[in-house]
Amino acid sequence: DIVMTQSPDSLAVSLGERATINCKSSQTVLHSSNNKNHLGWYQQKPGQSPKLLIYWASNRGSGVPDRFSGSGSGTDFTLTISSLQAEDVAVYYCQQYYTTPWTFGQGTKVEIK
Amino acid sequence: QITLKESGPTLVNPTQTLTLTCTFSGFSLTSIGVGVGWVRQPPRKALEWIALIYGNDDKRYSPSLKSRLTITKDTSKNQVVLTMTNMDPVDTATYYCVQRGGYWGQGTLVTVSS
Repeated sequence: DIVMTQSPDSLAVSLGERATINCKSSQTVLHSSNNKNHLGWYQQKPGQSPKLLIYWASNRGSGVPDRFSGSGSGTDFTLTISSLQAEDVAVYYCQQYYTTPWTFGQGTKVEIK
Repeated sequence: QITLKESGPTLVNPTQTLTLTCTFSGFSLTSIGVGVGWVRQPPRKALEWIALIYGNDDKRYSPSLKSRLTITKDTSKNQVVLTMTNMDPVDTATYYCVQRGGYWGQGTLVTVSS
């Protein structure tokens, strides 16, 4: 199985400041067939199901604010929230869909400082 | 608009079989690239992928749960059914139906207890 490791486990950021979450996979998720990174980012607010923020490592999902961005390739990826808003308080997960079993990171809890 | 909704029992006795149904709309599960799967989340824990079925009926299972799982589809009803045998209290979780394109259902909490 591909192991996904996120860092940090939690972070507290002031409103309007940048939040950065890292995700590392135990093997590459860059598929040679389409030259795309099979990596997504999800946001989960309390009591809600996860919402897709980023797919193919850097493409924003439908309706996702542009303060969310994804970057990285191969085994190292980053989710950046450029200016943290109160509504961004949530747990964020990375997920690889390069191969089954799909695997998720352990989650990063983002709070307001 | 793509929607998915899970249905099934909220309480299951240990050793019983769990059957969950995902009813979806807004897409067809008949193409090779389209897939619907299940992900679960124990209370206050991380997400765990369980199973996936593609439109061509290709089925994939979590290796750790494979012996207990069966996933099937009924394209006429736009449904995917997951069965999990020999349920245990550690299987208590919210079970989500997930479309391969990143759409999730609201989830259903299943508690395993006598």
